[in-house]
Amino acid sequence: EVQLVQSGAEVKKPGESLKISCKGSGYRFTSYWIGWVRQMPGKGLEWMGIIYPGDSDTRYSPSFQGQVTISADKSISTAYLQWSSLKASDTAMYYCAIYYGSGQYFDYWGQGTLVTVSS
Amino acid sequence: EIVLTQSPATLSLSPGERASLSCRASQSVSSYLAWYQQKPGQVPRLLIYDASNRATGIPARFSGSGSGTDFTLTISSLEPEDFAVYYCQQRSNWPHTFGGGTKVEIK
Repeated sequence: EVQLVQSGAEVKKPGESLKISCKGSGYRFTSYWIGWVRQMPGKGLEWMGIIYPGDSDTRYSPSFQGQVTISADKSISTAYLQWSSLKASDTAMYYCAIYYGSGQYFDYWGQGTLVTVSS
Repeated sequence: EIVLTQSPATLSLSPGERASLSCRASQSVSSYLAWYQQKPGQVPRLLIYDASNRATGIPARFSGSGSGTDFTLTISSLEPEDFAVYYCQQRSNWPHTFGGGTKVEIK
């Protein structure tokens, strides 16, 4: 069974750094793109970026390029989304998801990680 | 970047009625478009991929059509569990953008 399990909710202060994770299981981790989607409170879905763990090919939305870093550790089947300096506007739910059986669309999703940034 | 514009923003319908949701792309995406459903407090779910293919386990009342720049998601007869927000997404060009969403609410 394909599963994506994300790390737990975080409460941070502006300026702090953060790395959240998404662990894949039930499939060959290196063979499928794994991406991140932001959903701000009461708002829609935003495609942030994606990584192919097999060769670390990474694509970012221009809106998020330079603002976050996406990475993956093949040895533990885990993808990451990190910030070096959080802002209040980073407060959102963050989902990881994979392009699996339907081509390059997100057909499996993690449960989401709520990130709250507040002073 | 390709911009996807969904309309209407909100659709107010009764159970049993037909719903037609629109997604328009700022440039051609061929047939590389998907539709997702998201209910409050839940993770999005893939409904339709490549414009007209139902994902695994999706009921036949959901159908997708279109190509190029204009796409439609049709729900033939709304069930109570279909009231939700629907998003389109394109995979023609990086970044693989989402539309802003259409909320289907109970009238």
